[in-house]
Amino acid sequence: ETGVTQSPTHLIKTRGQQVTLRCSSQSGHNTVSWYQQALGQGPQFIFQYYREEENGRGNFPPRFSGLQFPNYSSELNVNALELDDSALYLCASSFGGTRETQYFGPGTRLLVL
Amino acid sequence: QQQVKQSPQSLIVQKGGISIINCAYENTAFDYFPWYQQFPGKGPALLIAIRPDVSEKKEGRFTISFNKSAKQFSLHIMDSQPGDSATYFCAAQDTGRRALTFGSGTRLQVQP
Repeated sequence: ETGVTQSPTHLIKTRGQQVTLRCSSQSGHNTVSWYQQALGQGPQFIFQYYREEENGRGNFPPRFSGLQFPNYSSELNVNALELDDSALYLCASSFGGTRETQYFGPGTRLLVL
Repeated sequence: QQQVKQSPQSLIVQKGGISIINCAYENTAFDYFPWYQQFPGKGPALLIAIRPDVSEKKEGRFTISFNKSAKQFSLHIMDSQPGDSATYFCAAQDTGRRALTFGSGTRLQVQP
């Protein structure tokens, strides 16, 4: 177990709705990254937060947004859900710099109908 | 240039055998190469990682071989066990981008 927790574990939404996913980082970690993992594929980087500031972003549209709180927990918000947003959403926490190991949570399985 | 190519897509090995998974990359800025193991319904778990200043790293039954000039690295699982049956992902990270770039995954099945 990595100490990274995510909620909820599963979620079903309909197209056009909005969703918020939550992540609690491992103790002592100040950096959180979010990834999208479609079925049968490797995780794709969405964005990273370091000390409450966005610190890098992958090739995802602006309707994917995030927050990091002073206790280093984090949220991923997705607006105007599309069917292709159905995936496992993973958060990973790490401490500081760019060469630090990222530890993943169990993920939230999102199904968009 | 951000791609990491992984092969094979699936692998069946007998118990006690050696499992070998290969990855190749193009971006010379990558400087950290972890391997993750993922069981169904779980998040990826770090297995072993290597930096390009060494050519090999061994931890228990798991070994990473790294060829910087060829831009290739591989995972060897010695004495494979049924409990090793999972999906394995190679990944790469560069200092500038901070994100992990993952391969497409290898589904390993170890038969008893």
